[in-house]
Amino acid sequence: QVQLVESGGDVVQPGMSLRLSCEVFGFTFSSYAMYWVRQTPGKGLECVAVISDDTTNKIYADSVKGRFTISRDNSKNMVYLQMSSLRVEDTALYYCATASMTTFDYWGQGTVVTVSS
Amino acid sequence: DIVMTQSPESLAVSLGERATINCKSSQNILYSSNNKNYLAWFQQKPGQPPKLLIYWASNRESGVPDRFSGSGSGTDFTLTISSLQAEDVAVYYCQQYFSFPYSFGQGTKLEIK
Repeated sequence: QVQLVESGGDVVQPGMSLRLSCEVFGFTFSSYAMYWVRQTPGKGLECVAVISDDTTNKIYADSVKGRFTISRDNSKNMVYLQMSSLRVEDTALYYCATASMTTFDYWGQGTVVTVSS
Repeated sequence: DIVMTQSPESLAVSLGERATINCKSSQNILYSSNNKNYLAWFQQKPGQPPKLLIYWASNRESGVPDRFSGSGSGTDFTLTISSLQAEDVAVYYCQQYFSFPYSFGQGTKLEIK
């Protein structure tokens, strides 16, 4: 059974950094791209970053470009989101997700990031 | 970036009746080389991540009841629930995966009348 488990969410002040982690179970992790998707009551669902299966390609939404870095460790079935220069508007529930066939068919339960002074 | 617009924002339907949700993309998401629409529908219940219902605009994900159907092409799409059940109360999202950043509609909240 496929399971994605996020961790690392916290309450931080604006300008600080945070690293989110996502561990994947029951899945050929190294064969698929991995995504981070965030959700807020105001802006809804936003796909913020994707990393290819072999780590060679990484794409970011404009809202996080230059501040967030996605990475993965295929030996550990882990994907990470390093977030720096955090802003109040980065406050969200962050999901990791993957698309084994077409689009996001597997999701974690999410981890909450709160940016507040 | 492609903008996805759903209507209505909320919808109340009687049990056993039909529910219809619309989604419009700001650009054509039909890829001509394979004739596929890069459009998906998700269902989200409180405290849960979104669940994939429909992909390629009209293909049901494994295990999704056949009362759920998707239609449309190009820029205009529809999710139909043919006979609403109590367990269908949720927020529904359309999503394009034609180009990154993959974008979602703002959601339609479906309730029982």
